[in-house]
Amino acid sequence: DAKTTQPTSMDCAEGRAANLPCNHSTISGNEYVYWYRQIHSQGPQYIIHGLKNNETNEMASLIITEDRKSSTLILPHATLRDTAVYYCIVRGHNAGNMLTFGGGTRLMVKP
Amino acid sequence: DTAVSQTPKYLVTQMGNDKSIKCEQNLGHDTMYWYKQDSKKFLKIMFSYNNKELIINETVPNRFSPKSPDKAHLNLHINSLELGDSAVYFCASSQVGVGGNTIYFGEGSWLTVV
Repeated sequence: DAKTTQPTSMDCAEGRAANLPCNHSTISGNEYVYWYRQIHSQGPQYIIHGLKNNETNEMASLIITEDRKSSTLILPHATLRDTAVYYCIVRGHNAGNMLTFGGGTRLMVKP
Repeated sequence: DTAVSQTPKYLVTQMGNDKSIKCEQNLGHDTMYWYKQDSKKFLKIMFSYNNKELIINETVPNRFSPKSPDKAHLNLHINSLELGDSAVYFCASSQVGVGGNTIYFGEGSWLTVV
C-alpha cells in the first residue's frame, strides 16, 4: 500500500470548516483513499473513502485532485467533538489489503 | 447494537500469565483483524483472517495465537505475558463488496501487564 504524508497537527475554530490535507504521490490506480479518525480512548472510526471522484457523506467531504496525488478531508462545521487524530490511508480493496496507519494529523477544535 | 465488540475492555495481569481477548462482529463480514496500539499511539496490524483462514501475520511473536472458531469471531490468546505487551488491542472486520472494503473497529481492549 502507498504511503501518505500529513501535517502532524492542526487547529480549527469551532464552527469553521476544517480542511485536512494529505499527500499520496505514489498511489496506484486501484488504490482508494480512506480517512479514519480516532477520538481519545476510542477505536478508529471510518469517515469516508474515494477512488477519484469527490465524495460527500453526513460526516465530511473528500476532495481528490485530478492526478490523485493528494486529497483534502473537509469537516464543514467543526465541533469540539471533532477533536481527534485523523488518518489518511491508501489501500486496495482485496481481502488482504489491511489499513496501514501513519502518524495522522492531530486536529484540535478550539472554542 | 455494537457492530464489533471486544471483551474485556480492561485487563490488568501479571507477567508470565496467559490471557485471552475475545472479539465478535455482527456485520456478516468474512475478514477480521487484530491491531495493536502501543504507548506511542502507533496502530499496527497484527493478524488478518479471511473466512477463518490466516492471511496476514505481521511477524508477531508466537506467544500471540489468534483463533477463529467461525467467521464472526476472532479471539486473541497471549501466552507468557511480558511488560512490552501492554497496549490497546483493537479488533476489526471488513467485507469486500461493491461499495468497497471498509474496515470497522471495536472499541479496544486495554491490556496492562505488571
